[in-house]
Amino acid sequence: DQQVKQNSPSLSVQEGRISILNCDYTNSMFDYFLWYKKYPAEGPTFLISISSIKDKNEDGRFTVFLNKSAKHLSLHIVPSQPGDSAVYFCAARRYNFNKFYFGSGTKLNVKP
Amino acid sequence: DAGITQSPRHKVTETGTPVTLRCHQTENHRYMYWYRQDPGHGLRLIHYSYGVKDTDKGEVSDGYSVSRSKTEDFLLTLESATSSQTSVYFCAISSGSETQYFGPGTRLLVL
Repeated sequence: DQQVKQNSPSLSVQEGRISILNCDYTNSMFDYFLWYKKYPAEGPTFLISISSIKDKNEDGRFTVFLNKSAKHLSLHIVPSQPGDSAVYFCAARRYNFNKFYFGSGTKLNVKP
Repeated sequence: DAGITQSPRHKVTETGTPVTLRCHQTENHRYMYWYRQDPGHGLRLIHYSYGVKDTDKGEVSDGYSVSRSKTEDFLLTLESATSSQTSVYFCAISSGSETQYFGPGTRLLVL
């Protein structure tokens, strides 16, 4: 039973526009949420994170929003750039453990 | 970048043979993880370690074993490789803070 879900396998966006990637989770014991970016033939790299006590975290062009009541988080990329084209994974950490659960990923294509 | 290396980076093996993948870190982080990445499944945890000689199972541990005799090394062993274990394997480390850092991956093909 997948505890973290990314229901959109792919997303295509024009350069300069906003990219919105979504993630849903089922376990209310998750206390920390992360987004990773992955290029082909490389390991995932950490992008941005948010604690469950916050509802927004911003880092440059990247903003993560957390809606705990809906068990939903999203990653906004503004403005999108062709170099942002990659697979994005959301992940969640269970409170008091150090185990991370990942979604299946969303492949973002930013068109020039 | 976190100091994580994986070896080998690529391996082709035959069904029924044992295979060992190595993860080495230079960060002295307490936690180490092995994941596999498959299309449609994202990253799934195989095993993880929370200290030397302390390991636990993840979501997809059947057919895999691990060992951690030193802080810096975490070994993943496929006792008898099967075609279903063809995958990309990633090692990750964490200090116990909220973030994991990943290695470059090992691409394994079981014929």
